[in-house]
Amino acid sequence: SQQGEEDPQALSIQEGENATMNCSYKTSINNLQWYRQNSGRGLVHLILIRSNEREKHSGRLRVTLDTSKKSSSLLITASRAADTASYFCATRRSGYSTLTFGKGTMLLVSP
Amino acid sequence: DAGVIQSPRHEVTEMGQEVTLRCKPISGHNSLFWYRQTMMRGLELLIYFNNNVPIDDSGMPEDRFSAKMPNASFSTLKIQPSEPRDSAVYFCASSLARREMNTEAFFGQGTRLTVV
Repeated sequence: SQQGEEDPQALSIQEGENATMNCSYKTSINNLQWYRQNSGRGLVHLILIRSNEREKHSGRLRVTLDTSKKSSSLLITASRAADTASYFCATRRSGYSTLTFGKGTMLLVSP
Repeated sequence: DAGVIQSPRHEVTEMGQEVTLRCKPISGHNSLFWYRQTMMRGLELLIYFNNNVPIDDSGMPEDRFSAKMPNASFSTLKIQPSEPRDSAVYFCASSLARREMNTEAFFGQGTRLTVV
């Protein structure tokens, strides 16, 4: 079963705009990770946030985590056409070694 | 390091045939995962190995699927006999599992399997 559910399923924006994607999950977690997948390629790790962290930054990426609401958001600032991809959240449940992925958000950034 | 290497990249086979997918994890990683991705079901974990030992195979669909990891640098996922509903992209991923579990997974490019 899917642990993480991303919202929205698809997002279309213009270059320069910010893109926000959300993820909700069901159980207690050890950490939450965001991955990116370009069409026809494997997933690439973007950022990891631990359960005791609330916010994390990496370049143009900003991730927040609210464990009380069991939700996370990924913000991409000043988007570029090259950011076009699918974005997945993945959770590592407490006591488990495996990652469970959501179905992803397809982001389209138009020039 | 070249990353996680999967072969073949594409496989087209007839229903009933045996299919073997191969994976070479990143050197030094002690955890290996096989995932299947479809439009309908997203990314599903099939099996997880730690130190070459299968730890969680609850995601393996049925007896037609089997996975092995004979050594730290090689794993196979076999489907026998294959069926059209097995058509999907199969990903292998590896990571270095640590006690605190705050590690990322590195994915291969995937094998796109089409069973006709």
